[in-house]
Amino acid sequence: DADVTQTPRNRITKTGKRIMLECSQTKGHDRMYWYRQDPGLGLRLIYYSFDVKDINKGEISDGYSVSRQAQAKFSLSLESAIPNQTALYFCATSEPSQPGANVLTFGAGSRLTVL
Amino acid sequence: DQQVKQNSPSLSVQEGRISILNCDYTNSMFDYFLWYKKYPAEGPTFLISISSIKDKNEDGRFTVFLNKSAKHLSLHIVPSQPGDSAVYFCAASYGGSNYKLTFGKGTLLTVNP
Repeated sequence: DADVTQTPRNRITKTGKRIMLECSQTKGHDRMYWYRQDPGLGLRLIYYSFDVKDINKGEISDGYSVSRQAQAKFSLSLESAIPNQTALYFCATSEPSQPGANVLTFGAGSRLTVL
Repeated sequence: DQQVKQNSPSLSVQEGRISILNCDYTNSMFDYFLWYKKYPAEGPTFLISISSIKDKNEDGRFTVFLNKSAKHLSLHIVPSQPGDSAVYFCAASYGGSNYKLTFGKGTLLTVNP
């Protein structure tokens, strides 16, 4: 099984619908992240969490919410999906790494299409 | 304003030759740089990193060079193999906020047999 599992892998929905993307990990990492990738753009950070009680907004959090249900689970919600939220979404985990490079372990991605 | 730039969307090389992927950055506060590789339908996987106090880091066929004065880093793959064909992302972070990685747009590398 993958270290970081995302469900669903693909989803097509309509404008205005509520969507939840789920992420679970077996790495035992405290830190979890949600990133978004758009064609021709790099990955952009939506939300991140250092533990169950610590959730923080990233650079593009508008229109999204998250829930850290447990150390191993971090879900991303779109309360009312809009077409420009069509993108590839990645969940990632890491361990604290001060000092040092913050090496993320990514899931396989969830492709979301909003019509 | 894009702080990490990969100006070449794609690169094509012959098997056995050297692949050089470039990355420029604008934020002089960045102190760690990472390269990730991404295959289609998979998530990015960590490849190699370098601290700003170094100018070179090597891991097998992969070497990353850092030129701080030019705010430029490059990833060298020698020799290139068809299995190296993927999108390569450059990423950077700094100081106490090292959990926030800033990614470039990526470069699609194609290694032809």
